[in-house]
Amino acid sequence: DAEITQSPRHKITETGRQVTLACHQTWNHNNMFWYRQDLGHGLRLIHYSYGVQDTNKGEVSDGYSVSRSNTEDLPLTLESAASSQTSVYFCASSAAAGGYNEQFFGPGTRLTVL
Amino acid sequence: AQTVTQSQPEMSVQEAETVTLSCTYDTSESDYYLFWYKQPPSRQMILVIRQEAYKQQNATENRFSVNFQKAAKSFSLKISDSQLGDAAMYFCAYRSSGSRLTFGEGTQLTVNP
Repeated sequence: DAEITQSPRHKITETGRQVTLACHQTWNHNNMFWYRQDLGHGLRLIHYSYGVQDTNKGEVSDGYSVSRSNTEDLPLTLESAASSQTSVYFCASSAAAGGYNEQFFGPGTRLTVL
Repeated sequence: AQTVTQSQPEMSVQEAETVTLSCTYDTSESDYYLFWYKQPPSRQMILVIRQEAYKQQNATENRFSVNFQKAAKSFSLKISDSQLGDAAMYFCAYRSSGSRLTFGEGTQLTVNP
């Protein structure tokens, strides 16, 4: 069965370190997204990609970067981790076609920055 | 920019009773899609129900139904015959012609036995 996976599921790091969160999907979806979830804010879009070599900033992109070298993967990098980036991170993917274009979510990564 | 508002941070319901979760949104577009997602303690995001703005008929999925009021920009979720497994955080989400979702802040639903 097709799926979307994230690794690691839990990560503790120190302020100033570079961190990369992995996202891998086997749906063969063109669209991929990264969200962060914080109490009182729901899920907020960090970055998204509509295909290989395409990346776009979302509403909370400062301090984060992504790259898309193939269809299956969209890694999220925190260049210099800050305590404000402690959060739960979700990756999602969807097909490029119109209509409902349902997004399928990964299980999430809980990141703690000390 | 589109915004989605869920004005009820917490709701509770007795098992087997009915509960309605509220959601309002702000948009200037005429064609869009609305979704309700459920997030149980496992953190997995699960699609509950969805609605296309141009469809006047309210969507229904088993015990879950919506009351879509396009003019009022309101999209509430009704859960009938509530079950213990319905306890979760519920998110309302909006999508326009692009693929990006805008989420509300969420409503934490407690189901009391």
